[in-house]
Amino acid sequence: EAQVTQNPRYLITVTGKKLTVTCSQNMNHEYMSWYRQDPGLGLRQIYYSMNVEVTDKGDVPEGYKVSRKEKRNFPLILESPSPNQTSLYFCASSLHGGQKNTEAFFGQGTRLTVV
Amino acid sequence: GDSVTQMEGPVTLSEEAFLTINCTYTATGYPSLFWYVQYPGEGLQLLLKATKADDKGSNKGFEATYRKETTSFHLEKGSVQVSDSAVYFCALSGGYNKLIFGAGTRLAVHP
Repeated sequence: EAQVTQNPRYLITVTGKKLTVTCSQNMNHEYMSWYRQDPGLGLRQIYYSMNVEVTDKGDVPEGYKVSRKEKRNFPLILESPSPNQTSLYFCASSLHGGQKNTEAFFGQGTRLTVV
Repeated sequence: GDSVTQMEGPVTLSEEAFLTINCTYTATGYPSLFWYVQYPGEGLQLLLKATKADDKGSNKGFEATYRKETTSFHLEKGSVQVSDSAVYFCALSGGYNKLIFGAGTRLAVHP
């Protein structure tokens, strides 16, 4: 089954403790991205990757890192989480990044709480 | 920059009522337009899309027409069901497949 898998689904952590949210897709998609969803703001892009070893900042990259060492994986790293990073996070992938009309497939989300 | 504005929710309807969720956009160039749906506890799924002016996207009884003259992409359904209860997001893609989302509209359908 074609899917984007995120882990964990739920995470509660303390300020400053490094964490990684994993994302994996099995569709051989080139383009992957991370979004955060906050009430009243919709989804905002954090980082994206056009292909292996090619990543770039989205609209709200501060406090986050990513890597793309393999095509299928795109982990999101919070080196020193802060309470304002409490949010619902989604990973998404699509076949190509240069075309504007290809469908994006989303993971089920990771609800992160930083206390 | 590019942006999407959706009507605020929640929208509460009785089963079989007509649904309209308004969406307008601001963009340079010629974006593609999308409606995504998020059911409780799940990720977003593509509901429908339109890639150029006057295109009509449709799926599962939902429709939306790309209106360039009014920069709108309103979502409609003639007869909603309880199972349509979800959050609906309007989005545009202007290039490099970056999606710009509206704030989302929660729909609650009661029997």
